[in-house]
Amino acid sequence: EVQLVESGGGLVQPGGSLRLSCVASGFTFSNYAMSWVRQAPGKGLEWVSTISGSGGSTYYADSVKGRFTFSRDSSRNTLFLQINSLRAEDTAIYFCARDAVVSFGENTFDIWGQGTMVTVSS
Amino acid sequence: DIQMTQSPSSLSASVGDRVTFTCRASQSISSFLNWYQQKPGKAPKLLIYAASSLQSGVPPRFSGSGSGTDFTLTISSLQPGDFATYYCQQSYSSTYTFGQGTKLEI
Repeated sequence: EVQLVESGGGLVQPGGSLRLSCVASGFTFSNYAMSWVRQAPGKGLEWVSTISGSGGSTYYADSVKGRFTFSRDSSRNTLFLQINSLRAEDTAIYFCARDAVVSFGENTFDIWGQGTMVTVSS
Repeated sequence: DIQMTQSPSSLSASVGDRVTFTCRASQSISSFLNWYQQKPGKAPKLLIYAASSLQSGVPPRFSGSGSGTDFTLTISSLQPGDFATYYCQQSYSSTYTFGQGTKLEI
């Protein structure tokens, strides 16, 4: 079964750090780019970051650039999102998603994890 | 960044109705447009990719159309399980963006 399972969320003070993980199973991990998408309470979806299948390329939303670092470990089929200098506006559910290439080169998020909650509060 | 604007922000409908959601991009994105359904407390689910291709396992009452800047998602006959929030998302740029969502209510 194709599956993504996130962990690492929790309550952290403003300015603090957290490392989120996402374990993938059921597919050839290194063949896929992967992404993080977040959703603040009661709000819409916000793309956060994408990493290529090799891990050699990463892309970030302006709102997190310089504070978040996305990496992957193919030996463990695991993604990591290191989040530093946390702000109240980073409070959200963080989903990892498989970034599949379809049709004529379009990308789509075809598999999603259940999410992990990050709360930034003093 | 490419901005995605969905309309309406919410929509009231009944079982059996035909409904259409609209998504507009701030610049041409060819067919690099996906649609997702999200129910409360759940992860989003892919419905339509590449503007008009139905994801495996998604009922054929869902359909997508459009290219360039204007896109639509249509549900031909609403079923009880379709009441959810729907998001469009562009993958034309390497920095992806979502629309703000359309909440479909009874």
